[in-house]
Amino acid sequence: NAGVTQTPKFRILKIGQSMTLQCTQDMNHNYMYWYRQDPGMGLKLIYYSVGAGITDKGEVPNGYNVSRSTTEDFPLRLELAAPSQTSVYFCASGPTGYTYEQYFGPGTRLTVT
Amino acid sequence: TQLLEQSPQFLSIQEGENLTVYCNSSSVFSSLQWYRQEPGEGPVLLVTVVTGGEVKKLKRLTFQFGDARKDSSLHITAAQPGDTGLYLCAGAYDSGGSNYKLTFGKGTLLTVNP
Repeated sequence: NAGVTQTPKFRILKIGQSMTLQCTQDMNHNYMYWYRQDPGMGLKLIYYSVGAGITDKGEVPNGYNVSRSTTEDFPLRLELAAPSQTSVYFCASGPTGYTYEQYFGPGTRLTVT
Repeated sequence: TQLLEQSPQFLSIQEGENLTVYCNSSSVFSSLQWYRQEPGEGPVLLVTVVTGGEVKKLKRLTFQFGDARKDSSLHITAAQPGDTGLYLCAGAYDSGGSNYKLTFGKGTLLTVNP
């Protein structure tokens, strides 16, 4: 099993550009999550999904959008990139249950200039 | 907004020393996890605890969940350079229903010097 895979690994965007961060998991998990991690600030939840066709906002959703058309894929869309979106983005997935334990991908380092 | 505080924020020790890091909240957790994150990588799940007073061991790492399920500790015995990393605790709060989310602490950055 590959677990959770994310592409790209690194990306530089100009202000105002758009892009999609890809996330795929092969563990048949229903729950999937997108986080951003800034130095000294921990992990902030952007969006999450509890199953195909179901998404909900997390703590910091502004400037982002998601979709969940399949169990495996959970792409994150950035529209009109801003310098404040410079961060490391992590996708995670987890099995159905009450513990909400999560398995993370390797991350995408995004710089907006 | 529920807060989850970790201490210390930074810890630098010599190889062979013991250490304990802490995770505290004013609210009750339904479950709590510890993760380790190495530079340039995603967090890796170490353990999940769900029962008040629960103790779990993973080689030289001992995890304890407080009796009231509001706090947890991670103790490392005879630390090695390979233990270096950011240790994150994350809790699912007991909200009376499914909230599907974890709240993460900001982490303890551990450096073990040879």
